[in-house]
Amino acid sequence: ETGVTQSPTHLIKTRGQQVTLRCSSQSGHNTVSWYQQALGQGPQFIFQYYREEENGRGNFPPRFSGLQFPNYSSELNVNALELDDSALYLCASSLVTSGGNEQYFGPGTRLTVT
Amino acid sequence: AQSVAQPEDQVNVAEGNPLTVKCTYSVSGNPYLFWYVQYPNRGLQFLLKYITGDNLVKGSYGFEAEFNKSQTSFHLKKPSALVSDSALYFCAVREGRYYGGSQGNLIFGKGTKLSVKP
Repeated sequence: ETGVTQSPTHLIKTRGQQVTLRCSSQSGHNTVSWYQQALGQGPQFIFQYYREEENGRGNFPPRFSGLQFPNYSSELNVNALELDDSALYLCASSLVTSGGNEQYFGPGTRLTVT
Repeated sequence: AQSVAQPEDQVNVAEGNPLTVKCTYSVSGNPYLFWYVQYPNRGLQFLLKYITGDNLVKGSYGFEAEFNKSQTSFHLKKPSALVSDSALYFCAVREGRYYGGSQGNLIFGKGTKLSVKP
């Protein structure tokens, strides 16, 4: 196990609703990244937080937003849910000291939008 | 733009035989390359990485990967497959100049399902 935890495990929401997903990073890690993994696809980068500030974003609209807290836990918020938002959402933590550090992933939250 | 290709959706191997899962990449600078494995209903688990140095990288559970710069490949290998190796394998790349930020995060392939039969 990586020490990265996510909650909830599963979630069912209705189109148009808002959702908050939570992640607790591995101890000592200062960076958290969020990825969306659609069925049958590889994970796609949503954004990254470092020292409580967003410092990179992938090709996702502004209705995807996040927070990182002083204890390095993090939230992913998605507003105005769409059917295509149904996916596995993964958070990954790392210690950014160089580009070669690997990311450690949590088990994910399975979001279903109906 | 960075990209990763895993040309095989599925690889079937008999237990005890060697296995290879293929990966090719495209980055504008020096690549940092990673392999992850995903078991059903689980997150991704780190297997190994290439940053610099020896082209043959050894990782967890007996896996290894060979970096080939001229062919822009980073194939995952194991000399003797186990049934328990059956899972989804992802290759990922990051451009080496950056860390953090959107250019520093991982670009994943679509994954290759490895099936090892007894």
